[in-house]
Amino acid sequence: GNSVTQMEGPVTLSEEAFLTINCTYTATGYPSLFWYVQYPGEGLQLLLKATKADDKGSNKGFEATYRKETTSFHLEKGSVQVSDSAVYFCALSEPSQFYFGTGTSLTVIP
Amino acid sequence: DTEVTQTPKHLVMGMTNKKSLKCEQHMGHRAMYWYKQKAKKPPELMFVYSYEKLSINESVPSRFSPECPNSSLLNLHLHALQPEDSALYLCASSPREGPQETQYFGPGTRLLVL
Repeated sequence: GNSVTQMEGPVTLSEEAFLTINCTYTATGYPSLFWYVQYPGEGLQLLLKATKADDKGSNKGFEATYRKETTSFHLEKGSVQVSDSAVYFCALSEPSQFYFGTGTSLTVIP
Repeated sequence: DTEVTQTPKHLVMGMTNKKSLKCEQHMGHRAMYWYKQKAKKPPELMFVYSYEKLSINESVPSRFSPECPNSSLLNLHLHALQPEDSALYLCASSPREGPQETQYFGPGTRLLVL
């Protein structure tokens, strides 16, 4: 079956630190992969996506590379800001359903 | 217009009430979705509509009744809910139903059942 596994949170970082949130997946076919972000009290916003192996998605300084050989889609940012504090969800889409990871809560302190 | 709107933002209802949640998008998307999200959990898919027809029902209890009156609107009718149905209800849309389609989410309706 299809599933997504994310690293457990919560994650607390100081401003300007490097961020990595690990995401691995299991899929029966060729999924698209997504990172969504949810700020407190809000819905989910698309952060970035990749639709095939070796694609790199990037947005607002965040990036993730679709690695078929390791079935991973780790989220990285070189220098986090306080405004990046949110819950981050990794997701895969295949064939027409989204499968979300459990979410990783990130808090960035000044 | 690149957003999905949901009303109301908050809803409190008793177990005998009937209420409806509304979702609207004007992006020309032909697939729309309802999700339920409990605190500190990922969203769980409830229903998928594709070209105004129900495509997926994830074994949701009949006290939740979806309706897609046209390609821009998606409703979720609620009747005889239980306190455990309290959650954030998210609507999403995508251009079509399919594996490469990005889903765009609304801000959600926060529901409390007393």
